[in-house]
Amino acid sequence: EIVLTQSPGTLSLSPGESATISCWASQSVRSTFFAWYQQKPGQAPRLLIHGTSSRATGIPDRFSGSGSGTDFTLTIRRLEPDDFAVYYCQQYNESPWTFGQGTKVEMK
Amino acid sequence: QVQLVESGGGVAQPGTSLRLSCAASGFTFRKSGMHWVRQAPGKGLEWVAVIWDDGSIDKYADSVKGRFTISRDNSKNTLFLQMNSLRAEDTAVYYCARDLGGSPFDLWGQGTLVTVSS
Repeated sequence: EIVLTQSPGTLSLSPGESATISCWASQSVRSTFFAWYQQKPGQAPRLLIHGTSSRATGIPDRFSGSGSGTDFTLTIRRLEPDDFAVYYCQQYNESPWTFGQGTKVEMK
Repeated sequence: QVQLVESGGGVAQPGTSLRLSCAASGFTFRKSGMHWVRQAPGKGLEWVAVIWDDGSIDKYADSVKGRFTISRDNSKNTLFLQMNSLRAEDTAVYYCARDLGGSPFDLWGQGTLVTVSS
């Protein structure tokens, strides 16, 4: 099983600042099969980034993903109030599909 | 519109069974792989099970293998999760999610809460 470890657990930032979330995989993941999701309280997760760096439909370009192998990053530039949420990384390279434990981006 | 709607959640006693449903609409269900993902209260996302578009293959997380069964009825655009021998640790919101084949989960339902408690 590919274990995904996110860092940090919580980010306290102000609107307008940038957020950088890291995700490390216990084994190499093909870039094509790596994604990021956003989840707000009481809502289902929403796909943000797939294939490591491709934005899903309707996702603003303030969100960007990068990385390869075992090291992946989600960057959110110019945080807006709507961006404060929990973010999860995911690999869909192989079964079992796995998620990181989540990173909460909270307003300072 | 394109959507997934789960139902069937509720309170169940340990050792009993529950069957969840996920009704799909607005897209070609029979061409989509489908997953169940759960989220325990205050916790992260845990993948539970997947079924191929034609139902020919299914896979499970170790935590539910032998107890849960995923199935689908493509004629009724519906996904199911039969949950047997329920345990307290199965308490979670259960989401169904679409996978268009080696793809991320691009469409999710709103979730249905399962509480296992005596």
